[in-house]
Amino acid sequence: QVQLAQSGAEVKKPGASVRVSCKASGYSFNAFSLHWVRQAPGQRLEWMGWINPGNNNTKHSQKFHGRVTITWDTTATTVHMDLGSLRSEDTALYYCARGGAGDYIGTFDYWGQGTLVTVSS
Amino acid sequence: EIVMTQSPATLSVSPGERATLSCRASQSVGTSLAWYQQRPGQAPRLLIYRASTRATGIPARFSGRGSGTEFTLTISSLQSEDFAVYYCQQYNNWPFVWTFGQGTRLEIK
Repeated sequence: QVQLAQSGAEVKKPGASVRVSCKASGYSFNAFSLHWVRQAPGQRLEWMGWINPGNNNTKHSQKFHGRVTITWDTTATTVHMDLGSLRSEDTALYYCARGGAGDYIGTFDYWGQGTLVTVSS
Repeated sequence: EIVMTQSPATLSVSPGERATLSCRASQSVGTSLAWYQQRPGQAPRLLIYRASTRATGIPARFSGRGSGTEFTLTISSLQSEDFAVYYCQQYNNWPFVWTFGQGTRLEIK
C-alpha cells in the first residue's frame, strides 16, 4: 500500500534552516509528483512546492521567496524539503503529499503523517 | 492567486442529520475542486475530486456539487467519525497553484 513516512519533529532557532524528509513506498516513485503542504496553528493548509522525480521538474510557491528547496533521492525513494532563514511564522506541521495522476490529477491523494517544525529562540 | 472561502466556520449538527458545507472561489475554477477531511491528529484525506466525484473508498453519504465559483459538500446521515474539519482546494489551470479554504469545523450538536 502507498505510504509516505516523514522524518521526526524539529526545533530550530530563527535564521536557521530545517530539512524535512519523506520516504515513499508502495508505488512507482518516478510516476507521481510529491508536494509539501504546511499547516500553521489555526491557519489553513498552505501549498509550498512540488517535485516530479520522473522529469526533475520542481516548482515553489512564490510566497517563500526562494527559501524552499525540494530535492529527491531516487534510490532511497525519498524527497527532502529544505526551508531556510526560519522565522517564528514558520512554526507549523509540514506534510508531504502525493500528487494524483489520471482522474486524480491536481489532487493530493496520499499524505504523510506530518512533521512538526518549531521555530523558537 | 485564487482565494477560497468556506462557510460556515463551524457547523453544529446532530448525528444522523444532514450537513451542508459551502466553498466559494474568488474566480472560476471550473470543476477543479477537491474536498478533504481532517480528523484530529491526522493528515487530511481526499474525499471528493472534480467537484463531485468520490475518491476511492469514500462512502456514498459524501457528495459534492458545483462548478465555477460555488461549491457544496453534503454529508447525509452523519456518523460519529464524520465530525472533523473539512477543506476545499482548487487546482485550476496548469501549472497549478494550489490553494485551500480556511476549513469548516463540523461538530456534534
